[in-house]
Amino acid sequence: KQEVTQIPAALSVPEGENLVLNCSFTDSAIYNLQWFRQDPGKGLTSLLLIQSSQREQTSGRLNASLDKSSGRSTLYIAASQPGDSATYLCAVLIQGAQKLVFGQGTRLTINP
Amino acid sequence: EAGVAQSPRYKIIEKRQSVAFWCNPISGHATLYWYQQILGQGPKLLIQFQNNGVVDDSQLPKDRFSAERLKGVDSTLKIQPAKLEDSAVYLCASSLDRPNYYEQYFGPGTRLTVT
Repeated sequence: KQEVTQIPAALSVPEGENLVLNCSFTDSAIYNLQWFRQDPGKGLTSLLLIQSSQREQTSGRLNASLDKSSGRSTLYIAASQPGDSATYLCAVLIQGAQKLVFGQGTRLTINP
Repeated sequence: EAGVAQSPRYKIIEKRQSVAFWCNPISGHATLYWYQQILGQGPKLLIQFQNNGVVDDSQLPKDRFSAERLKGVDSTLKIQPAKLEDSAVYLCASSLDRPNYYEQYFGPGTRLTVT
């Protein structure tokens, strides 16, 4: 059974810092891994999708890496801003099932 | 292109009452998903449809939850009777059937409070 873990559960940093969020998964048989952002009371916004054959994806100040063999992904946020405050979720798409399995999320607070 | 639409956005009911949620996926998306997200947790898949058929409903509490997708487009998720532990955000998502791709797009969710 695929399990996804995110560390830390919560993170608070001052504005301008670079930071890393971690995601680990137990089964490497995945199609892809996605990072989502969720604002309070809102749905999920897809940030980055990494196919299983890829090593990383970049969008603006965000960079996500994938090491399928070790079951790890990281989301790097450069020059953090208060507007980055949200919960960040990672999810893996299980091969064969088209089923997304989510981590529990990291609640990020950027302090002005 | 229009995103995934859900209604209502918020619902408050008493335990043992019934409630229904509606989802309209992105046009042309064959696969539709319903997720339950309890506060502080990641979303959990309840049911997955491909066109009209159910692909996976292994985590759907079938004694009280039901879902249908008529004509392979809109879907409704129903809870009857509701329990306190059903308080959660219910998210609908849809995806194309592109082999080895399958990116899911999420709606804004329906926040259910059971009192």
